[in-house]
Amino acid sequence: SYVLTQPPSVSVAPGKTARITCGGNNIGSKSVHWYQQKPGQAPVLVIYYDSDRPSGIPERFSGSNSGNTATLTISRVEAGDEADYYCQVWDSSSDRVVFGGGTKLTVL
Amino acid sequence: QVQLQESGPGLVKPSGTLSLTCAVSGGSISSSNWWSWVRQPPGKGLEWIGEIYHSGSTNYNPSLKSRVTISVDKSKNQFSLKLSSVTAADTAVYYCASRDWELLGDAFDIWGQGTMVTVSS
Repeated sequence: SYVLTQPPSVSVAPGKTARITCGGNNIGSKSVHWYQQKPGQAPVLVIYYDSDRPSGIPERFSGSNSGNTATLTISRVEAGDEADYYCQVWDSSSDRVVFGGGTKLTVL
Repeated sequence: QVQLQESGPGLVKPSGTLSLTCAVSGGSISSSNWWSWVRQPPGKGLEWIGEIYHSGSTNYNPSLKSRVTISVDKSKNQFSLKLSSVTAADTAVYYCASRDWELLGDAFDIWGQGTMVTVSS
C-alpha cells in the first residue's frame, strides 16, 4: 500500500519560512493536498492539486511537488499558523485516500 | 455553502456496531460530491475510512473494509457509517467530509465538526 512520510515536528521563528515535507514513492506523479488542523478543530484544506490555494487561504501558503517529495511552504510564519499539517493523495492502485502521519508546526 | 453535521452515540460497547449519520445541508447529496468518513484516534493522525457517491458506488479503506458499510439516503439528504465488531482501537473522533470531484478532484474541502466515539463497556 502507498505510504506518505512526514516529519513529526517542525519548528520555526515568527516571520521566517517553514517547510513541511511529504515523502512518497514517485509522489510527483500524484496530486497532493495539504490540510491544517488546529487543536479541537476539523482539518482545513490549505493547498490542493500540489500548489493551488482555496479561497480564503493566505498567499503565504504555497506548495510544490516533484520526484519523491512534496513540500508545503509557509512564508512569514505567524503564531496563528501553529497547527498540525497533513498531506494527502489518492492511491489509484487501491482506490483509496492516503494521509501522511502529520507534522506539528511549532512557532517559537 | 454545503455544511456537514455528524450525529450518533458517543459510547459503543466492545464487539458492538458503531453507527453514525452525516446530515448534508446547503446542497444536495446528489451533486458531484463524494461523501467520506475520516477518523482520528486521540492524539493521532487522520485515517480515511471510506466514501460513497449518490449512485451508491463506494470505496473503502482495505484495512477496514471487512467491517465497514457506508450508505446514502437521498430522501433525507444524509449518509451513514456502520462499523462492526468494534474494539477500543476504534475509539476516535469521526469526521464526515466531502470532495467535489469535478472541482477539486480528491481534495476534501468540506468537513463536519467531528464527533467523539468511545468504545468501552
